[in-house]
Amino acid sequence: QSALAQPASVSGSPGQSITISCTGTSSDIGAYNYVSWYQQHPGRDPKPIIYDVSNRPSGVSNRFSGSKSGNTATLTISGLQAEDEADYYCNSYTTSDTWVFGGGTTLTVL
Amino acid sequence: QLQLQESGPGLVKPSETLSLTCTVSGGSISSGYYRWGWIRQPPGKGLEWIGDIYLSGSTYYNPSLKSRVTISIDTSKNQFSLKLSSVTAADTAVYYCMRRVGSSSNRDCWGQGTLVTVSS
Repeated sequence: QSALAQPASVSGSPGQSITISCTGTSSDIGAYNYVSWYQQHPGRDPKPIIYDVSNRPSGVSNRFSGSKSGNTATLTISGLQAEDEADYYCNSYTTSDTWVFGGGTTLTVL
Repeated sequence: QLQLQESGPGLVKPSETLSLTCTVSGGSISSGYYRWGWIRQPPGKGLEWIGDIYLSGSTYYNPSLKSRVTISIDTSKNQFSLKLSSVTAADTAVYYCMRRVGSSSNRDCWGQGTLVTVSS
C-alpha cells in the first residue's frame, strides 16, 4: 500500500488559517470516512486531533477542523498560533482492512 | 482512567525477534467494543501502522511487515503483545501501543511509547 500524500511543509502567520491536504485513492480515503489526523510537537508523542474525518476528541481546540472530498482529506487550522507549530500526520482505513499514514507535514508559524 | 504501558527490551540484536507487551490498566481489554494495536516511528521519520488485534483474536497487519509480525492478546493478564522477527536496523523505532474504538478511526488511548534499538 502506498502512503497518503501530504505536502512536506506549510507555513502561515499568527491569526491566519492554513490547510493541510492528504491525498489518497478510492481504496482508502475515498472508500470510508475513517480518516484521522495527529499532531506531533518535536520530541513529543503524537496527539490525536481529528477522527472520522471531522470529529474532534475531547479537549482539542475547535480551531482544528477536518473535511473530505473524494480521495482528499483536509485539515484546517484557523486562528493560527505559535503553539500549532508541529508535524501533522493523516491516517486512513483501506479496503484491504489495513491502515495507511501520510508522510507528514511540518507546519511553521512565521 | 484507562492507561496503556509498553514494556520490553530496549535493545535487540539484528536477526533476532523484537518482543513488546502492552499492559492495560484502569479498564478491561475484554470489551469487544475496542481494537488494540501498534504503531511505530523511526527516529526522525513518520508514523507507520504495524497492526491491530480484535478481542476475537482476528489480526490485521501492515502488508510490508506481515511476514514478520505477530500480535496476540491475553485477556487473563489484560495485555496484548507484539513480536517482530528477523529485525534489522530499519526496525529501530519508538513503538506505541494503543486502543481504537471499533468501527471508527478514533485511537483514543495511547501508551507513552518505547524506543527499541536494533544493534549488535
